[in-house]
Amino acid sequence: SQQGEEDPQALSIQEGENATMNCSYKTSINNLQWYRQNSGRGLVHLILIRSNEREKHSGRLRVTLDTSKKSSSLLITASRAADTASYFCATASGNTPLVFGKGTRLSVIA
Amino acid sequence: DAGVIQSPRHEVTEMGQEVTLRCKPISGHNSLFWYRQTMMRGLELLIYFNNNVPIDDSGMPEDRFSAKMPNASFSTLKIQPSEPRDSAVYFCASSYHPRGDSNQPQHFGDGTRLSIL
Repeated sequence: SQQGEEDPQALSIQEGENATMNCSYKTSINNLQWYRQNSGRGLVHLILIRSNEREKHSGRLRVTLDTSKKSSSLLITASRAADTASYFCATASGNTPLVFGKGTRLSVIA
Repeated sequence: DAGVIQSPRHEVTEMGQEVTLRCKPISGHNSLFWYRQTMMRGLELLIYFNNNVPIDDSGMPEDRFSAKMPNASFSTLKIQPSEPRDSAVYFCASSYHPRGDSNQPQHFGDGTRLSIL
């Protein structure tokens, strides 16, 4: 069953703006991960946030997790054309493999 | 370090033919995953292995699909006979799970784009 659901499905912004993507899930999790997929390539792991963490940073990426609302957000600050990609959240629960959402397609226009 | 290596990158074949997709995971990783990605259904987990043993193949769509992992450095996904609806991008991913859980970040290959005519 699909666990993570990203919102919006597609997002188009100007270079230099911030991009925010959201992920909602249904059951309790051990951790939540964000991945990026460039066109014609495989998914690349960006960041992992554990269920006992509320916020995490990595470069221009900021991830928040609200377990009471069962939601997470990925913020990309000062976006660049190279950030154009699809972004997926994946939830880890129990001892089962990651479950991926359908992704948000981000277009950054130069 | 080499990442996950998949071959071929593209495969075009006629309906009814056997298709074999190959994957070499990252050295030292003990879990391997096969996924299928389509626009309609997104990324679907087909099967995964821990320490070369198939753990869950409930995502394999039909008996026409089979997967093997004869050793820690090689896995195959076979479709026989292939059908047009099998057209998709197939990804292999690997990860390292020291405690046998499946929650760790996965490393993906660049996929095989399969077209069945």
